[in-house]
Amino acid sequence: GAVVSQHPSWVICKSGTSVKIECRSLDFQATTMFWYRQFPKQSLMLMATSNEGSKATYEQGVEKDKFLINHASLTLSTLTVTSAHPEDSSFYICSARRGVGNQPQHFGDGTRLSIL
Amino acid sequence: AQSVTQLGSHVSVSEGALVLLRCNYSSSVPPYLFWYVQYPNQGLQLLLKYTSAATLVKGINGFEAEFKKSETSFHLTKPSAHMSDAAEYFCAVSPANTGNQFYFGTGTSLTVIP
Repeated sequence: GAVVSQHPSWVICKSGTSVKIECRSLDFQATTMFWYRQFPKQSLMLMATSNEGSKATYEQGVEKDKFLINHASLTLSTLTVTSAHPEDSSFYICSARRGVGNQPQHFGDGTRLSIL
Repeated sequence: AQSVTQLGSHVSVSEGALVLLRCNYSSSVPPYLFWYVQYPNQGLQLLLKYTSAATLVKGINGFEAEFKKSETSFHLTKPSAHMSDAAEYFCAVSPANTGNQFYFGTGTSLTVIP
């Protein structure tokens, strides 16, 4: 159990395009979903935390208008990179959690975003 | 403040040798602890978790970790390394008395030498 599906796995697009990434918890209801960015050979950088029906909480330095997060249901969160530029190229990973405390995060397989 | 430290950003072991990946946490109250593995171009997969039951926790793929309160440690071990164990490993902590915080270590890259 605790499967998280992230789509798409690879995106290549032109500068100025907006890109939407979906994160779905397939077999559980996620009270919280997280979005991370990961640079090569580095740890995860938390971008934002979102709870269903609430506005996402963004980490310091993450542009809210650039990275739009929508958490429409207990099983779906989306990250939209608006007007993407080459510096936004990265590996984006989502995770979902069904509670707090001793509940682990369950991760999607990530999305490799390349902006030309 | 909560933090987690992984000593050794790179660890190399021979195939068949013991794997030991270190993780220390700082917290006045023992947190919940997790180990994740990440293969190239993939998300993180949960290996095991400590949730205040048994201090020796067994996980998937033959890994286990022992919670030692006196040492504030949660080191990951495997008796015999396989080539397929080569990956990035992350230790993570979730505070026991707060909400959604979740802190990751900087990761340890494991290389297995044939």
